[in-house]
Amino acid sequence: DQQVKQNSPSLSVQEGRISILNCDYTNSMFDYFLWYKKYPAEGPTFLISISSIKDKNEDGRFTVFLNKSAKHLSLHIVPSQPGDSAVYFCAASLNNDMRFGAGTRLTVKP
Amino acid sequence: SAVISQKPSRDICQRGTSLTIQCQVDSQVTMMFWYRQQPGQSLTLIATANQGSEATYESGFVIDKFPISRPNLTFSTLTVSNMSPEDSSIYLCSGSTGGAGETQYFGPGTRLLVL
Repeated sequence: DQQVKQNSPSLSVQEGRISILNCDYTNSMFDYFLWYKKYPAEGPTFLISISSIKDKNEDGRFTVFLNKSAKHLSLHIVPSQPGDSAVYFCAASLNNDMRFGAGTRLTVKP
Repeated sequence: SAVISQKPSRDICQRGTSLTIQCQVDSQVTMMFWYRQQPGQSLTLIATANQGSEATYESGFVIDKFPISRPNLTFSTLTVSNMSPEDSSIYLCSGSTGGAGETQYFGPGTRLLVL
């Protein structure tokens, strides 16, 4: 049962443009949502999170939007930089039980 | 944040053997977890490592196949027993302080190939 889905396995954008990564979930009880970034041969690193009681959280170039009615969240990166090229995992948490999506590989071209 | 190390970083093993992966955290965390990431797939939770007691396993994972120890707050091991090629994967440990919405910090992972 895949509770968190990232339907786009890959995304390519030009440097300076906006990157939008999408994530859908099925369990309306999730209370926190997180994005992780993963470089090759490294573990995932925490990027940004949002509580289920909010609809937006911003941290520098990164903004996460939550649409609870649609059970959908997205990560916006603007402006995108080549160093942002990595695999991005969406995660949803309930009582510290965290479920991950399959990841989206973002490539930012110079 | 916590810094988490794992060893070995990678290994190639023969079918039928067992491998123990170690995970060390640099600060005390309440909760430690073990995940598996098979090629092209998401991180799948294997179990929650409980200090001084048996781990809590997710559906589809059993103690006989994946025995886990956590003798103290900062150290845990995962053993992959009687390995088959289907166990080839990246194994990751993570830790968190366990508060609501508390993020998990991940180790670099152990890349396992079973021949």
